[in-house]
Amino acid sequence: SYVLTQPPSVSVAPGQTARITCGRNNIGSKSVHWYQQRPGQAPVLVVYDDGDRPSGIPERFSGSNSGNTATLTISRVEAGDEADYYCQVWDSNNYHQVFGTGTKVTVL
Amino acid sequence: EVQLVESGGGLVQPGGSLRLSCEASGFTFSDYDMNWVRQAPGKGLEWVSYISGDDTTIYYTDSVKGRFTISRDNAKNSLYLQMNSLRAEDTAVYYCAREPDDYFDYWGQGTLVTVSS
Repeated sequence: SYVLTQPPSVSVAPGQTARITCGRNNIGSKSVHWYQQRPGQAPVLVVYDDGDRPSGIPERFSGSNSGNTATLTISRVEAGDEADYYCQVWDSNNYHQVFGTGTKVTVL
Repeated sequence: EVQLVESGGGLVQPGGSLRLSCEASGFTFSDYDMNWVRQAPGKGLEWVSYISGDDTTIYYTDSVKGRFTISRDNAKNSLYLQMNSLRAEDTAVYYCAREPDDYFDYWGQGTLVTVSS
């Protein structure tokens, strides 16, 4: 099956940089999208097509994708960034959308 | 303003059926592909099903094939998920999500489906 591997948790101090990885063989050939989900809320798109931001998403959120790893970077982390984050790709071989395993970001 | 509002969740016994609805507003519904995504309690996101804007293409995740049916009524700006032969493992919050291009830009607030005797 198509698995996107994320670290279960990332801890970061306020004002520092959080990096969340999403791994799969040759993921660099795919477009990767990222979602933020705060407790009790629906997911929100924060990055699409590897590194583009929807309107209203702060520039602190950025993305990159190369080789076997895609990365969501949150700069100048704030308390409000504490949430679960999921990567997502389209598996064109099986006509399935696939989500990563999810990463809980804790702001210390 | 884009809005997606799900309804139809509830408690159902194993083997039972339920029909979820998602009412869309704030955009031209027929111009967009739509999806259902679910999240079991304390677990991650799981894609369930996709339907194209013109209703000609449909996909399902393997675990629901033959049990769930996605449909839409563009005249009513509504998306549906008919769920039959429900199992305990189908217990989850079900979200409808708009898909402009292989990603989900708007999500509803979700509706909880609990399968239990």
